[in-house]
Amino acid sequence: DVKVTQSSRYLVKRTGEKVFLECVQDMDHENMFWYRQDPGLGLRLIYFSYDVKMKEKGDIPEGYSVSREKKERFSLILESASTNQTSMYLCASSFDGGHNSPLHFGNGTRLTVT
Amino acid sequence: GQNIDQPTEMTATEGAIVQINCTYQTSGFNGLFWYQQHAGEAPTFLSYNVLDGLEEKGRFSSFLSRSKGYSYLLLKELQMKDSASYLCATTGGFKTIFGAGTRLFVKA
Repeated sequence: DVKVTQSSRYLVKRTGEKVFLECVQDMDHENMFWYRQDPGLGLRLIYFSYDVKMKEKGDIPEGYSVSREKKERFSLILESASTNQTSMYLCASSFDGGHNSPLHFGNGTRLTVT
Repeated sequence: GQNIDQPTEMTATEGAIVQINCTYQTSGFNGLFWYQQHAGEAPTFLSYNVLDGLEEKGRFSSFLSRSKGYSYLLLKELQMKDSASYLCATTGGFKTIFGAGTRLFVKA
C-alpha cells in the first residue's frame, strides 16, 4: 500500500512566521501535489511537481513556495504566514500525474495561524 | 475556465440507493475520479472513468458522459458507514481539479 506521510497533524503558528510542511511518500511516485481544503471550497491545488527539482503552480500559489530536492519528499513553505492561510493542507502523490492513476493522500496537516 | 458542480448535501436511508451527480467544464479533460472522504480523514479513491458508460465496483458504480460533461456516483444498499463526503474530480495534464464535495448523511 502507498504511504504518504505528513510530518505534523496539527500546527499553530503566528502571523509572519515561516512555516514548513513536509510530505514523504514511499512508493517512488513521480508526481506530488499540495492542496488546501476549506469548507465549501473543496480541495484547491497550490503547487505540484512531476519530477525532482521541478515544480508547477497550481490554482492558488500566492503566498506559498515548494521544494522537491528528493523524489520522495515534497515540502510546502509559507514564507510569511497569514491568518487566511489557516486551513487543512493535504499532500498527495501519484504514479502518472493522475491521468489514469489515483491520488494517494496523506492524513493532512491542520494549520492555524494566529 | 474550470468548473465542477455537485450538490452540497444529500440524505438517504440505510439500505436505499443514492445517486450523486457531478457536472464539469474543464480544459484538457482526461478522465473523472470519485473519492470518498470521511470526516477528519484523507480522501480515498473510489472509481475512475475515462470512457463513456458505467463502471461497476461492488456496491458503487460510476457513470460518465463526456459529451454532456456529466458524471454520477451510484451507491447501492447504503450502510451507515457510507456517511461521508464524495468528491468529484477531473484530470487534465498533470492536474487534478476537485469539486467542493457532496456530504452524504445515511440515516437509519
